[in-house]
Amino acid sequence: EAGVTQSPTHLIKTRGQQATLRCSPISGHTSVYWYQQALGLGLQFLLWYDEGEERNRGNFPPRFSGRQFPNYSSELNVNALELEDSALYLCASSFRGRGGNTIYFGEGSWLTVV
Amino acid sequence: AQRVTQPEKLLSVFKGAPVELKCNYSYSGSPELFWYVQYSRQRLQLLLRHISRESIKGFTADLNKGETSFHLKKPFAQEEDSAMYYCAASGSARQLTFGSGTQLTVLP
Repeated sequence: EAGVTQSPTHLIKTRGQQATLRCSPISGHTSVYWYQQALGLGLQFLLWYDEGEERNRGNFPPRFSGRQFPNYSSELNVNALELEDSALYLCASSFRGRGGNTIYFGEGSWLTVV
Repeated sequence: AQRVTQPEKLLSVFKGAPVELKCNYSYSGSPELFWYVQYSRQRLQLLLRHISRESIKGFTADLNKGETSFHLKKPFAQEEDSAMYYCAASGSARQLTFGSGTQLTVLP
């Protein structure tokens, strides 16, 4: 079974530009989560999508946005990039079945803003 | 506010020694608790969750609701256990709140 896949693996952007990161969840999973792992700041929750709807967002400015497509894949958009947006962006997916909500992670996309 | 606390950033033990990674949580309701592990150059992966009450790679974790703790334990540490360990909690909002992580190093 394929895991959560993310693209691109690495992305370098200039301050002020926009970045788009993509995620394909595990087959059958309807929820997608985005996390930011910045150096020294740990894992910070960004966004949660389920069944195509944004269900919750973390404490990030509106220039962080995303969407979930009918096939449950998702993209994260970061507008007006700032240097401090440089981080590893992790996507995760889950299916809430019996036994609780287990979340599985992708390998992440490294975003570097210069 | 929902919070997961891992008080130790770094923890070193010798091979064969017991290891305990501490985790405390502050959460409304009855959260689900998890331990995730990230080995060098690998993705974050689920180690265990309190609902299943299972033992993975010799690790166990007991949920203590009175102390709001979910410490991870292993009686005999192995060198391959060296990794970054994250405690996480999930409430009604379903997303995970992570602790800051503990880097475990098992010395030969």
